Amino acid sequence: DAGVIQSPRHEVTEMGQEVTLRCKPISGHNSLFWYRQTMMRGLELLIYFNNNVPIDDSGMPEDRFSAKMPNASFSTLKIQPSEPRDSAVYFCASSLRVPRTPYEQYFGPGTRLTVT
Amino acid sequence: AQTVTQSQPEMSVQEAETVTLSCTYDTSESDYYLFWYKQPPSRQMILVIRQEAYKQQNATENRFSVNFQKAAKSFSLKISDSQLGDAAMYFCAYRETSGSRLTFGEGTQLTVNP
Repeated sequence: DAGVIQSPRHEVTEMGQEVTLRCKPISGHNSLFWYRQTMMRGLELLIYFNNNVPIDDSGMPEDRFSAKMPNASFSTLKIQPSEPRDSAVYFCASSLRVPRTPYEQYFGPGTRLTVT
Repeated sequence: AQTVTQSQPEMSVQEAETVTLSCTYDTSESDYYLFWYKQPPSRQMILVIRQEAYKQQNATENRFSVNFQKAAKSFSLKISDSQLGDAAMYFCAYRETSGSRLTFGEGTQLTVNP
């Protein structure tokens, strides 16, 4: 099992540029999550999908952020235009959601984004 | 809204000794799940242990165990026989039974001294 795969691992970009983060969940998992980790705000959920459908995007900071999951094996998080305050580590996680069980979320290695 | 609080930003322990990390949470639900995740310097989030609120028995995983006090809404993590590899940031997390969203605490940075 390859685990959750994220790319790139590191991204440095200039303010105003578009940034696309990518995630490949564990095969067979039916839920996918995007988190952001900063020193100020800790770990916060941005959006999650069940069966490729966005369920809760209330954590998405603003319209500059968008996420898609075109199929069960791929998701993107896009920031356009990027700003310095978007600098953070972005995690993707996936799980096999079985209702009313303490199923585990498996995290990817994260993408460290730096916006200058 | 549910909140998770870890009141110890940093903790340290001597190798081979025992340390307890604290976590409290606030919820109006009666059934839920609690988790401890470990984040070493590699920044990979790793599940350490989980607890189902309806179970009175405290969960254990080798050297890791929890003290779950439902009435007090407390969920502490005990690490026995601490090893250098236990050094990491530890996050407590909460999830409703019917939900998917994990709510994390602020984290506790654990240092293990040789």
